[in-house]
Amino acid sequence: AQSVTQLDSQVPVFEEAPVELRCNYSSSVSVYLFWYVQYPNQGLQLLLKYLSGSTLVESINGFEAEFNKSQTSFHLRKPSVHISDTAEYFCAVSQTINTGFQKLVFGTGTRLLVSP
Amino acid sequence: DAGVIQSPRHEVTEMGQEVTLRCKPISGHDYLFWYRQTMMRGLELLIYFNNNVPIDDSGMPEDRFSAKMPNASFSTLKIQPSEPRDSAVYFCASSYDRNTEAFFGQGTRLTVV
Repeated sequence: AQSVTQLDSQVPVFEEAPVELRCNYSSSVSVYLFWYVQYPNQGLQLLLKYLSGSTLVESINGFEAEFNKSQTSFHLRKPSVHISDTAEYFCAVSQTINTGFQKLVFGTGTRLLVSP
Repeated sequence: DAGVIQSPRHEVTEMGQEVTLRCKPISGHDYLFWYRQTMMRGLELLIYFNNNVPIDDSGMPEDRFSAKMPNASFSTLKIQPSEPRDSAVYFCASSYDRNTEAFFGQGTRLTVV
């Protein structure tokens, strides 16, 4: 079964500093990878995804993630964070179950805390 | 589209009572998922449907939990009888197909006292 590891439960950072949120997954086959963001008292929103093609994917608000097959990683980065980026971030990988369908397996989440 | 709509947003109930959570997926989405989020266990997939048919319910914790999808625009998650350990935020999500992202509702915060 697929698993997703987010090593950092919480990442404090100052505004305008760069940040990297780490994500590793367990798989030796093709995968689809996602980052979701959850703001307080809200549902999860898709931030970006990797399905195929370029290994570097970007979101509209300045985040990017790079799919690294050899390291089975999909780390999320932003060169300069804003206060409004404070949220919980979830990495997810699709898992093909024996019926041929896919389901998302989520990591435990990383809370990004941006302070002035 | 208004997105995935869940009701109620908050539910407080006494132990032993029946609880029904409701979800309206995005129109045209063939997949519907129910997740539970707790501090201890994070996000867990409980069950998901494809074209109103339950595909994988291996995440349903026990027989007290049941889910139905009588039509393409409505699903329920029922807990009977409810217990304090069921307290969590329950999310419903839908997706267009199995390879695309899931769109989440705002969640229902359930508190069982």
